[in-house]
Amino acid sequence: QVQLQESGPGKVTPWDTLSATCGVLGVSISSPTWWSWVRQTPGKGLEWIGAIHHSGTPNYNPSLKSRVTISVDKSRNRISLKLISMTDADTAMYFCVRHSTNDILSGPIDSWGQGTLVVVSS
Amino acid sequence: DIQMTQSPSSLSASVGDRVTITCRTSPDISDHLAWYQQQPGKPPRLLIYAASTLQSGVTSRFSGSGYGTEFTLTISSLQPEDAGTYYCQNYHSAPLTFGGGTKVEIK
Repeated sequence: QVQLQESGPGKVTPWDTLSATCGVLGVSISSPTWWSWVRQTPGKGLEWIGAIHHSGTPNYNPSLKSRVTISVDKSRNRISLKLISMTDADTAMYFCVRHSTNDILSGPIDSWGQGTLVVVSS
Repeated sequence: DIQMTQSPSSLSASVGDRVTITCRTSPDISDHLAWYQQQPGKPPRLLIYAASTLQSGVTSRFSGSGYGTEFTLTISSLQPEDAGTYYCQNYHSAPLTFGGGTKVEIK
């Protein structure tokens, strides 16, 4: 049974960078699948930020591609999210998720973390 | 991007009622559609994938149907624990996109 545990700063100053991590428990991050970050805001609902394959290949939402980096740390069995130039619009709950197949376009998301709330505020 | 339109945005129904939620997409996404349930303070939970396949461990009160551009999620007999918000999701093409959600309340 996979468990995903997000960790984030809670508060980010405008124009700073969000750095968040997701610890993966119960399964190796090198298993043949994709891992994504999804965020949720009251205004825009659920938004897919991007994904990382266990091999390290990323796939980003074009709407955020210029600001986001997702990476995999096999030694710590975790994935990381960096989002630069944060504004009020980036205030959200950030979820780490696992895809059910080795292709994000072949199957759904089958596991979600509890999420980490990030507020952009000075 | 695949556009996902859910309706209604909210509904209120009684225990035992049959409830139907619709998700329309543009363009066609074959059967690459999933449904999730989110209860307050919790992350979404997978209910249905491939438009009509019930996820392991999910009660058979939930069912899904549809293909192409129109999909439905049906709760056959609404129970108190079914209160929450339901989302459809496209995994036919990137970027992955979600519907706006349907909030289900129990009368």
